[in-house]
Parts: sequence; structure tokens; C-alpha cells
Amino acid sequence: AQTIHQWPVAEIKAVGSPLSLGCTIKGKSSPNLYWYWQATGGTLQQLFYSITVGQVESVVQLNLSASRPKDDQFILSTEKLLLSHSGFYLCAWSLDNEQYFGPGTRLTVL
Amino acid sequence: QQQVRQSPQSLTVWEGGTTVLTCSYEDSTFNYFPWYQQFPGEGPALLISILSVSDKKEDGRFTTFFNKREKKLSLHIIDSQPGDSATYFCAALTGANTGKLTFGHGTILRVHP
Repeated sequence: AQTIHQWPVAEIKAVGSPLSLGCTIKGKSSPNLYWYWQATGGTLQQLFYSITVGQVESVVQLNLSASRPKDDQFILSTEKLLLSHSGFYLCAWSLDNEQYFGPGTRLTVL
Repeated sequence: QQQVRQSPQSLTVWEGGTTVLTCSYEDSTFNYFPWYQQFPGEGPALLISILSVSDKKEDGRFTTFFNKREKKLSLHIIDSQPGDSATYFCAALTGANTGKLTFGHGTILRVHP
């Protein structure tokens, strides 16, 4: 069975500080991977997607970047956080059309 | 225009009743429509989905209907339970490679015992 793990569970960071969030998929070879952002009480917005190692496509420009260093790993990062980066970050993988989400990371920027 | 409209914004039903959530869209290239259930503090869970070649899909107490001509879809939950209380999102996909899901704004469902 496929499992998706995100780390950390939650972060509280200062404006202007760097950030790195991670996502690992187990039990699925060469999955399509995605990063989504969700404002508190809001809808989900896709940020990045990756079809293969080393290849990442940006969907929305939010002063964030993503990388896929391994087949089963997806990283979201920025060198300088903004207040507007606060929210819930979700990693997902897909099997054909179906997308399955991880447990998420709650980010608070102060 | 890539937009998915969802209604109502919130809904309260009594235990045992039927819940109906609806979504509409404009982009005729959308061809896959999933519904997600999200509990507070958790990631969304895929509940049920339908392809544009179908008009109905059933899974236990959950049924989704799709009307291609009217560009509308709905989620019906029969025998609603307090454990169904959550936020429900409809979404639409065009292009399996990009996996770009466009989400509605969600419906907060409360089921009172």
C-alpha cells in the first residue's frame, strides 16, 4: 500500500526566514507528485507538479520553489518567507487521474 | 475560464437525512471530477469521482451525478451521519499529465444527531 509522509507536521517561522518542507511517497514507483497550498478555511491551489526526478513545473508564482531530488521525494522551499505564505501545505501523488493527499504541514509565519 | 463554483457554502442536516452538494463549471475541457472530504487539520481524502463519459457513480451512501450538457455535478449522501460532518470539495481536472485540479471553495457540512 502507498503511504505519503510530510514533514514537519507544523512550523512557526519569522518573516524573512528560510523554509523547507518535505514529502515522501512509499509503495509507488515513479509517481506524479504535487504541492498544494490551502489558506485557513479556503480552497486548495496547486503550486507545483513533477512527473519525474529532477523535473518540476510551476503552476503559480508565490515566491516558492520545489525540487524532486529522488523518485519518492518532493521538497518545497523558499529563502525568504512572507506573511502570505502562512497556511496548510499539502503534498499529493497521483495514479492516473486520481490524486491522493498527504496529512499536510501547517505553516505560521509571524 | 478555469473555475469551479460550489454551493452551498455551508449546510446543516439531521442525522438520517439526505445531503446534496452541487458544483458547476465553465471549461468544457474538464473531463474528470473528484469529490474530496476534509476534516479539520487533515489532508483531503478522495471520496468518489466520475469521468465525463458517465452520468452517475455510486459508492455506498455516496453518489455523484454528472450533467455534461448543463456542466453541473452533484454529490448526494444518503442516511447522513454525524461522522460525515466535514468540508467537501468538488474539483475538476483537465490533462492527466499536469494533474491540475481546479477546486471549488468547499461546503462545510454539519450533521446533527
